[in-house]
Amino acid sequence: ETGVTQTPRHLVMGMTNKKSLKCEQHLGHNAMYWYKQSAKKPLELMFVYSLEERVENNSVPSRFSPECPNSSHLFLHLHTLQPEDSALYLCASSQDPRQGGGNEQFFGPGTRLTVL
Amino acid sequence: SQQGEEDPQALSIQEGENATMNCSYKTSINNLQWYRQNSGRGLVHLILIRSNEREKHSGRLRVTLDTSKKSSSLLITASRAADTASYFCATSGSARQLTFGSGTQLTVLP
Repeated sequence: ETGVTQTPRHLVMGMTNKKSLKCEQHLGHNAMYWYKQSAKKPLELMFVYSLEERVENNSVPSRFSPECPNSSHLFLHLHTLQPEDSALYLCASSQDPRQGGGNEQFFGPGTRLTVL
Repeated sequence: SQQGEEDPQALSIQEGENATMNCSYKTSINNLQWYRQNSGRGLVHLILIRSNEREKHSGRLRVTLDTSKKSSSLLITASRAADTASYFCATSGSARQLTFGSGTQLTVLP
């Protein structure tokens, strides 16, 4: 166990559905991340939150909406997704590297999302 | 833009042999990290090497870094079947972002 949990582990949704992915970290970190991992592609960084403030948004379509209510929880709200959005969505946490440290990230097990 | 590129893309060895994976990157870095991922699972941090370090060890892992060639290697000695996984290098340059490569799929045959 890495101290980062994600729910659900698997999700199948239609293109018109609305769903949310949840991530929780128990490590006392103050930065959290959403990544997308598609087959045969490098991990794509989607969003970064530091001290509950969104600090990076890497040109992610608006059908993905992140929320970080506190430093331990991170959500990814999904609506009107496309089949090409099917992927493994990974959450990670770390100490904010601006405060020192090397930005070692701790990952959750991921949510395997299938969009029909 | 993609930063790290691992080589080879796939590697198959016998148990007990050593496995070497390489990573090349393009821009200057603060540190380089190696992660492991079992199929369909999250990534696990293995080791971090800073830009002013040349070699680092952790158990059966040995990492080297050559900043002049912008490359790193990960050596796993005395491999075991349980080492079968994908291995990724990630470079840290900007304050918050890690940039990952496409990974090397290592298969260790019993």
